Amino acid sequence: AQKVTQAQTEISVVEKEDVTLDCVYETRDTTYYLFWYKQPPSGELVFLIRRNSFDEQNEISGRYSWNFQKSTSSFNFTITASQVVDSAVYFCALSEVLYGGATNKLIFGTGTLLAVQP
Amino acid sequence: DAGITQSPRHKVTETGTPVTLRCHQTENHRYMYWYRQDPGHGLRLIHYSYGVKDTDKGEVSDGYSVSRSKTEDFLLTLESATSSQTSVYFCAISEPEGADGYTFGSGTRLTVV
Repeated sequence: AQKVTQAQTEISVVEKEDVTLDCVYETRDTTYYLFWYKQPPSGELVFLIRRNSFDEQNEISGRYSWNFQKSTSSFNFTITASQVVDSAVYFCALSEVLYGGATNKLIFGTGTLLAVQP
Repeated sequence: DAGITQSPRHKVTETGTPVTLRCHQTENHRYMYWYRQDPGHGLRLIHYSYGVKDTDKGEVSDGYSVSRSKTEDFLLTLESATSSQTSVYFCAISEPEGADGYTFGSGTRLTVV
């Protein structure tokens, strides 16, 4: 069965600190997608990144970076120089890939609440 | 820019009453999903649809039913609402080969009293 674990329930940092959110997943599939979503206090879910299981290159987007390691089944998310606007719940999610590359239902972790203090 | 809307946004209902939540999309996406979000559980899949009249159960489907008679609409029905179904419900859509993954609606906050 597929499973996503986000062991950090809550993290509190001071603005400008770097912070890493951990995500560990379990799957028997050889092909899958990993995602990160942000849920700010307003409640909507904001897509951040999708990563294919065959692509282990790290990705950087501005202050955000993602470290994907298949050897440890981890897909960690780092925010550099955190800002108050980064305060949100962050979800890691896993999706199986069907025949033809189609994706299917998302399996979510329980989320990490990040509080960035000014 | 919402290609997916949920209605109602908020609802309070009494135990034992049926409730229907609606998800409407304008993106013509094939897949639609209903999730519920509860503290300590993240988002859990209730039901999903992979085409008109094609639906399947998720991990927490007991007490819920769905229908999809048109591509654009996916209805979630609580047959007899219970207090344990108090939650925030999210609808999502996806295109099988979509690069951006899934698009979520704004959520429906349901309170069963």
